[in-house]
Amino acid sequence: SAVISQKPSRDICQRGTSLTIQCQVDSQVTMMFWYRQQPGQSLTLIATANQGSEATYESGFVIDKFPISRPNLTFSTLTVSNMSPEDSSIYLCSVVGIGGVNTEAFFGQGTRLTVV
Amino acid sequence: SQQGEEDPQALSIQEGENATMNCSYKTSINNLQWYRQNSGRGLVHLILIRSNEREKHSGRLRVTLDTSKKSSSLLITASRAADTASYFCATAPDNYGQNFVFGPGTRLSVLP
Repeated sequence: SAVISQKPSRDICQRGTSLTIQCQVDSQVTMMFWYRQQPGQSLTLIATANQGSEATYESGFVIDKFPISRPNLTFSTLTVSNMSPEDSSIYLCSVVGIGGVNTEAFFGQGTRLTVV
Repeated sequence: SQQGEEDPQALSIQEGENATMNCSYKTSINNLQWYRQNSGRGLVHLILIRSNEREKHSGRLRVTLDTSKKSSSLLITASRAADTASYFCATAPDNYGQNFVFGPGTRLSVLP
């Protein structure tokens, strides 16, 4: 299993500003995943963060808007840049076990972002 | 992108009743998993069923998988108020991809 500490748990931000979300895992993992969950919706994968290489972004998400860092095997950050009210969502980081998608995923408690 | 649909979108039952949620998906899968989310917080893994399995039990949970119909169901028996949450299915691809694809979820309310 993995324990994930994600912070901040929530924030209210002004439009045009940026917020950096941190995700710390209690064990070394190869890949970390960042999801967005818009109000009342399901999870949508933003990007996969790999240590030592650039993150891989899903369709509709770009690095300029959601820059990601992965300085080591236990930590990652996601920045939401130049925020607008449409960015108001819950952002979640996640890791999978050693077996990859053959095992369960573990999630941080999420960051509830409100942009005003 | 979302793999499929879950139904119902919302379900309200009385404590002690059973709750059944369904999930459909579109592509071949390695496994299907069910997760629970309380009040917009992190997701908690409930159960995993592999593509070669048809049924699995864990406590009050029963999951079925029909790969011919590309569908799964989650049954919670003898529900409790504490079961109130959103429930999501997630599929793992069979093409060695690393990404789960989540369904839209079912919001379950268990009334005391």
